[in-house]
This record gives sequence, C-alpha cells and structure tokens, in this order.
Amino acid sequence: DGGITQSPKYLFRKEGQNVTLSCEQNLNHDAMYWYRQDPGQGLRLIYYSQIVNDFQKGDIAEGYSVSREKKESFPLTVTSAQKNPTAFYLCASSIKGQFNTGELFFGEGSRLTVL
Amino acid sequence: QQQVKQSPQSLIVQKGGISIINCAYENTAFDYFPWYQQFPGKGPALLIAIRPDVSEKKEGRFTISFNKSAKQFSLHIMDSQPGDSATYFCAATLNSGYSTLTFGKGTMLLVSP
Repeated sequence: DGGITQSPKYLFRKEGQNVTLSCEQNLNHDAMYWYRQDPGQGLRLIYYSQIVNDFQKGDIAEGYSVSREKKESFPLTVTSAQKNPTAFYLCASSIKGQFNTGELFFGEGSRLTVL
Repeated sequence: QQQVKQSPQSLIVQKGGISIINCAYENTAFDYFPWYQQFPGKGPALLIAIRPDVSEKKEGRFTISFNKSAKQFSLHIMDSQPGDSATYFCAATLNSGYSTLTFGKGTMLLVSP
C-alpha cells in the first residue's frame, strides 16, 4: 500500500543530544513537509521541500535541519539548539506542492520526549 | 495577516446532534479552505475542502459553509456519531503560486453516546 512511514513512533532523548526522525513515502509525491504539533497550538510548519536537493524553512525552523537527497525520503534532525523539542512530529507529502489540490498526506507521527 | 482563528477549542456533543466548528481568516487572498480530521495517535487526513466560488459544500454528514464577506467558514457535522470524536483542523492557502497551508489551532470534538 502507498503511504508515508515515519520512524520511530516514540523516541526519548537526553538534553543536548541531536536526534533524527525518519520519513519515507512511496506515493511518488514531489513535495514533503515536516510539522510540529503541540497541544492547543495546531500544526506548525518546520521545513518543506518541493524537489530533491532543495528545501525551505517554515515558520519554526530554528533548531531543526533537514535533507532531501532522494525523492522518497525527508529526514528531520532535531538539534540540541532546539529549546523545547518535546512534541509530536508529523511528516506529510503532496503532489507538486500544496497549490495543486491542497491535500496533504500525513504519516502517523513520531513522538519525541526530551528527558 | 496569515492567521486562521479556530473556535471552539473543544466541543462536546450528544450522539445525533450537530457539531459546529468555526474559523476566521485575515488574508483576503486565501482561496482554498480544507478541513482535516485527526484521530488520537494518528496523522491528520483531509476531510472536505471548499473554494470561495461556492457558499456551501456537502459530503455526506459533513458540510462546509463559507462566508466570503465575513472571511469566515465553518464545518457542520450532522447526526454526530461517537466515531466522529477527533480533532478537527481548518486551514487556508492560496491556490496558486507557491503557498503552504496555514492551520487553525484545532478543535477537539467528543461525541457522547
């Protein structure tokens, strides 16, 4: 079945450590996105990529980094510079950016807890 | 100018009742308004969407009402069921160029049996 796979589903990290969240899609979508979800805050865009080897900062990019070396993969690194990294992270993809249909296809998320 | 304000933050409705969630936007250039539904522990999924050339769109028990002059749109869930209990997000974007979705903060709906 086509879809988006995020791993790990749960992750614990000590303060000061970097951690990388994986996102893989087999939908053949051009665009991929990372969102952060906090209770009562909705979905906030961290980074997005419309094409391989290119990505743009979203609204809350500070303390995060991404790469897009392959069309199907868009890993997110939460660095030690991120002040409050405990959150639910969602990866999404869409056809050629959001402007065509507006539909985002989301993974099931990764919950990161910093101890 | 990019905000989408969503209310209420949480909502409890009895089974069979009507659930209503409201959103207001500021950017008059927005021209695509989707609603996403998220069940606990899952990612959101597109539920229904509307463009401003129509005032209402209905899909089954779900209806979007759109008021362009007031810059408001709302989701109505008729005959609400316990299986509708989820978090609902409204969103808005430009349907041209390169634009990302602006999401509301979400409404947690609980439909009591």
